[in-house]
Amino acid sequence: GENVEQHPSTLSVQEGDSAVIKCTYSDSASNYFPWYKQELGKRPQLIIDIRSNVGEKKDQRIAVTLNKTAKHFSLHITETQPEDSAVYFCAASKVSGGYNKLIFGAGTRLAVHP
Amino acid sequence: ETGVTQTPRHLVMGMTNKKSLKCEQHLGHNAMYWYKQSAKKPLELMFVYNFKEQTENNSVPSRFSPECPNSSHLFLHLHTLQPEDSALYLCASSQDLGASGRNEQFFGPGTRLTVL
Repeated sequence: GENVEQHPSTLSVQEGDSAVIKCTYSDSASNYFPWYKQELGKRPQLIIDIRSNVGEKKDQRIAVTLNKTAKHFSLHITETQPEDSAVYFCAASKVSGGYNKLIFGAGTRLAVHP
Repeated sequence: ETGVTQTPRHLVMGMTNKKSLKCEQHLGHNAMYWYKQSAKKPLELMFVYNFKEQTENNSVPSRFSPECPNSSHLFLHLHTLQPEDSALYLCASSQDLGASGRNEQFFGPGTRLTVL
């Protein structure tokens, strides 16, 4: 069945360093790849997304890259800050029929140390 | 506040109880979703409703019964649950914005369910 693998499961960095989280997906028909951030005790919130017709997208300190051939995509956070500490989830989906069937990765717990 | 609310926020129930979770979205979205979030596991999609019609059921046991009376309200009826059903149940909604749209799913705060 459809599957999304996410690595690493935990990531610890020093403030100011970069963090990279990688995901691979199994369904080649997937065309939409969002990233969600979930702070402790809070709901997941979308931070960036990319569609299959784009290879890279950037929004300030965060960027996402997509390699359709290899079926993997990555989240890059530069100049990390303590408030970036959270669990990050990647997801893959096929947007069709007016809704998203998101298949999530298991999450990466990022800790940014001052 | 994202516009998606869930009640109750916490629920403790016995295995023979019947209870319901409620989700309401004030965003005018067409699609609503139920997810289960367990510790150290991916968010699991349970059900999808699009314009009140159920479009996805991810092999969820029949002890979970969804109901969507209109595009703004979504319920999850629970009966004879098992301890392994203890988890955070998240509701989400989204709006179809076409091929160029963001299709962002907005999540509610969740209901923390404990089955004794």
